[in-house]
Amino acid sequence: DTEVTQTPKHLVMGMTNKKSLKCEQHMGHRAMYWYKQKAKKPPELMFVYSYEKLSINESVPSRFSPECPNSSLLNLHLHALQPEDSALYLCASRNIDRGGTDTQYFGPGTRLTVL
Amino acid sequence: AQSVTQLDSQVPVFEEAPVELRCNYSSSVSVYLFWYVQYPNQGLQLLLKYLSGSTLVKGINGFEAEFNKSQTSFHLRKPSVHISDTAEYFCAVSLWTTGNQFYFGTGTSLTVIP
Repeated sequence: DTEVTQTPKHLVMGMTNKKSLKCEQHMGHRAMYWYKQKAKKPPELMFVYSYEKLSINESVPSRFSPECPNSSLLNLHLHALQPEDSALYLCASRNIDRGGTDTQYFGPGTRLTVL
Repeated sequence: AQSVTQLDSQVPVFEEAPVELRCNYSSSVSVYLFWYVQYPNQGLQLLLKYLSGSTLVKGINGFEAEFNKSQTSFHLRKPSVHISDTAEYFCAVSLWTTGNQFYFGTGTSLTVIP
């Protein structure tokens, strides 16, 4: 099973709302990632968690707040977003115990629209 | 520093014709190489990867890629494309020295024309 699931599939929110994106994998992977992707562009790395600890934060604004409650779950909490934050948000996981060799497995993404 | 260059942003090709999508990388250390495909409104799906061994790698959906260390390239090929191959294709590298980060190319939009 190489599945990464993400919920919700679509999300529309106002600039004053608080919402959360959820990602789950049961492959035993100890690295999990959040990416932001605009149309026709490559994914932009936002956050990386290794062994449930935040290891990379690519200077993401504080209105995005990641959380890794356990080795299978990754959340992205959203608050006071701007319309330019509208994008496809992708979660990925990877078996980092195999060094750089293993694939990143991506979820289907959450299409976020900020009004 | 690492970088991944996909030389063609858009590639139109007729159905059943061959196609090559180009990828070049630069790195001061050894790398692992990947090709991903992304269909509209979906996540990224692995097509193939090169870790070591034979430089010709075969993947899903009839795609293959060849690692050329001297030219630092990892071009993706398919001998006969189908309409269903229309998608965005991303080349990516991962480093020997760290297991955490991928570096993506800018992507190539493949359009198969009936």
